[in-house]
Amino acid sequence: NAGVTQTPKFQVLKTGQSMTLQCAQDMNHNSMYWYRQDPGMGLRLIYYSASEGTTDKGEVPNGYNVSRLNKREFSLRLESAAPSQTSVYFCASSAGEATNSPLHFGNGTRLTVT
Amino acid sequence: GESVGLHLPTLSVQEGDNSIINCAYSNSASDYFIWYKQESGKGPQFIIDIRSNMDKRQGQRVTVLLNKTVKHLSLQIAATQPGDSAVYFCAENYLGGSYIPTFGRGTSLIVHP
Repeated sequence: NAGVTQTPKFQVLKTGQSMTLQCAQDMNHNSMYWYRQDPGMGLRLIYYSASEGTTDKGEVPNGYNVSRLNKREFSLRLESAAPSQTSVYFCASSAGEATNSPLHFGNGTRLTVT
Repeated sequence: GESVGLHLPTLSVQEGDNSIINCAYSNSASDYFIWYKQESGKGPQFIIDIRSNMDKRQGQRVTVLLNKTVKHLSLQIAATQPGDSAVYFCAENYLGGSYIPTFGRGTSLIVHP
């Protein structure tokens, strides 16, 4: 069982470059999330998708866009990367907002913007 | 427990001791709470959860206590092992009027053999 799969695992970008972080889950979960984690900080929510076809902003959405491509896949796009976006990005999924169920996380994408 | 700043709170224990990790949550409307364990280089993993209609829940070697009066959670790990060394996060299921998982800053647990 793969669970939540994120690609790539590592990425280095120059300021101003763009990239898309990919995430897929095989648990038939309704809700998917993107978090970022910075040193000494907890996880901060960037965007989430409560169900297929919907997306909403989280705590720190500026500089990011998302696409819920289908029930399995939820991508995060940086249109013009900035050094402040250097972070570890985690995708997660859960059965759904209304069901109060735990998140299942991928192993993260480590992004450095120079 | 939680703290402001860049450095995680750290709890150091000896192998075999019991560990208690504390967490203060923000919103009295939160009705579901989860503890996660994060090992180096990996994503957080679910340990145990508790709903707001309970004040205690036990798992294998772990117990979560919920005190809604003071908005406080704790995670107790019995007979701590070196494999328990990790960062532990509590999460509440509430953000800005929606039931969205929100995380605390985490506590680093170091278990000495």
